[in-house]
Amino acid sequence: DAGVIQSPRHEVTEMGQEVTLRCKPISGHNSLFWYRQTMMRGLELLIYFNNNVPIDDSGMPEDRFSAKMPNASFSTLKIQPSEPRDSAVYFCASKPDTYEQYFGPGTRLTVT
Amino acid sequence: DQQVKQNSPSLSVQEGRISILNCDYTNSMFDYFLWYKKYPAEGPTFLISISSIKDKNEDGRFTVFLNKSAKHLSLHIVPSQPGDSAVYFCAASKGGSEKLVFGKGTKLTVNP
Repeated sequence: DAGVIQSPRHEVTEMGQEVTLRCKPISGHNSLFWYRQTMMRGLELLIYFNNNVPIDDSGMPEDRFSAKMPNASFSTLKIQPSEPRDSAVYFCASKPDTYEQYFGPGTRLTVT
Repeated sequence: DQQVKQNSPSLSVQEGRISILNCDYTNSMFDYFLWYKKYPAEGPTFLISISSIKDKNEDGRFTVFLNKSAKHLSLHIVPSQPGDSAVYFCAASKGGSEKLVFGKGTKLTVNP
């Protein structure tokens, strides 16, 4: 079975542009998480969904960030407008009814 | 406020010896703990976990120890192999919450 799929793997964009990151969770998993990893702050939870419903978005840094999960097999994280401080690796993870989360390979975002 | 702390950013050991990675937590409500391993350019992968009702869990070369009174857990790898070289993250969950709180990671290098 395929793991969590993220696209693109790398994104380079200019400040002010809109960025959309995509995630396909593992089939049958009912929760989906978006994380951001930076050297300074480590792995931070941005938002998570349960059965496609956003449950906790307290980690979303500001209104420039938004996330959607229109169905059980797809989620997006959008940054508009992007800023250089948004440069990081963004991970998507999904989980079944257990504690373990399964991570995708990440999207490395660079905003110049 | 960092609730999960990995105070050693890096650790270097010789092949065949024991690797001990440490993790401290501050929130006494945490009741489930996990270790993840991360290779460069990949997402974290689940390694081993332990519930707060136990003080030890073993899986092959990997053993996790939990000391609730000290709010401390450790991951032992015996014997260490060069393929174990990776960043190891400690994570904690509380009260059935789906959220995981991660430490900043320890980079383990196993020298041949």
